[in-house]
Amino acid sequence: DIVMTQSPDSLALSLGERATINCKSSQSVFYSSNKRNYLAWYQQRAGQPPRLLIHEASTRLSGVPERFSGSGSGTDFTLTISSLQAEDVALYFCQEYYSDGRTFGQGTKVEIK
Amino acid sequence: QVQLQQWGAGLLKPSKTLSLTCGVFGGSLTDYKWSWIRQTPGKGLEWIGEINHSGATDYNPSLKRRVTISVDTSRSQFSLKLTSMTAADSAVYYCARVLRQLISEPPLFYYHSYGMDVWGQGTTVTVSS
Repeated sequence: DIVMTQSPDSLALSLGERATINCKSSQSVFYSSNKRNYLAWYQQRAGQPPRLLIHEASTRLSGVPERFSGSGSGTDFTLTISSLQAEDVALYFCQEYYSDGRTFGQGTKVEIK
Repeated sequence: QVQLQQWGAGLLKPSKTLSLTCGVFGGSLTDYKWSWIRQTPGKGLEWIGEINHSGATDYNPSLKRRVTISVDTSRSQFSLKLTSMTAADSAVYYCARVLRQLISEPPLFYYHSYGMDVWGQGTTVTVSS
């Protein structure tokens, strides 16, 4: 199975600051046949199921605020929240769709300082 | 707008079989795959498996021996069975809709999943004697 490692485990920022969450996979999740990275990002607020934010590393799902963006390729990926809002307090997970295990990262907790 | 509603027993004794069902409301089973995922405080999120409307399945290799996912298109629902439950299987179990895209690698054509965009409310499952 692919191992997905997120960093940091948690971060606390002030409202309006930029939040950067990293996700590293133990092997590439780039699919050469269609040149896509099979990496998704989810947000999970307290007491809620996860919510898909971004798929294929950088495609934002319809309805997701533009302050959320994804980047990266191969084994290294980043989720950026350009200007942190109170409603962004949550756990954030990456997930790979390359392997049979569809492994998730351990999660990053985002809080307001 | 499609909604998923899941149900099933939340308390099981060790060695028993977990049985959960997820109803799909306001949408068709046809154009998507359908998945089960579980979450624990210690291990985080774990993908269990998925199924399409025709009944073709993919399972997590770590659970494959104990998992069966099935679909009932006439009732617009899909189900999870996990055998030989232990305390380690105690978790919140979710059902979800899976986005898929057609991959063309002639002569092969197949669907590849790339994200889960609609989730059920979650069912807390506790395994205890």
